[in-house]
Amino acid sequence: DVKVTQSSRYLVKRTGEKVFLECVQDMDHENMFWYRQDPGLGLRLIYFSYDVKMKEKGDIPEGYSVSREKKERFSLILESASTNQTSMYLCASSISQGEAFFGQGTRLTVV
Amino acid sequence: AQKITQTQPGMFVQEKEAVTLDCTYDTSDQSYGLFWYKQPSSGEMIFLIYQGSYDEQNATEGRYSLNFQKARKSANLVISASQLGDSAMYFCAMSSYSGSARQLTFGSGTQLTVLP
Repeated sequence: DVKVTQSSRYLVKRTGEKVFLECVQDMDHENMFWYRQDPGLGLRLIYFSYDVKMKEKGDIPEGYSVSREKKERFSLILESASTNQTSMYLCASSISQGEAFFGQGTRLTVV
Repeated sequence: AQKITQTQPGMFVQEKEAVTLDCTYDTSDQSYGLFWYKQPSSGEMIFLIYQGSYDEQNATEGRYSLNFQKARKSANLVISASQLGDSAMYFCAMSSYSGSARQLTFGSGTQLTVLP
């Protein structure tokens, strides 16, 4: 079974903190994605990566950065967390044209 | 830019009846893929069905079928014989190239409630 693991299920951080969300997949997938999910807005793509050290901006990259130093790991970084970044964050991975496999999600609250 | 539109925020269906969830998409790519996912209240994302842009036949997976109309750019999900366990959020998604990478874009979702 493909497994996508996000490091935390719940996180509470203070405004201005630097926040790291980690995602690891075990199926050697080249593509990895970070989304945020908000009610009524669906899943919005923040960043995606198609290879080690390669990244592309999604629809809402502002306030976020990413890192992919190893193929299996894709990190989302909030340089200075703000309350409007309170959300559910979902990581996913896929092969080229295949279905995406999702992690369990991280519910981030910024206070 | 790729875009997925789901115009039904919420839908109700009687148990054992069929229901259609609408999805339209916009892309300039010739090669793309269309997906449907189910998200129950537990939050996990469950893959349901896939349709490639060059597939001539509509995809089917058990009680799920995808009504693919390429000229109209629509990819509606049909669930036959609805069950109470089908109550969930349903997302339509499209995979297509953005520069050199394959991007996966989701719609805003449809909340389906199956009534006993």
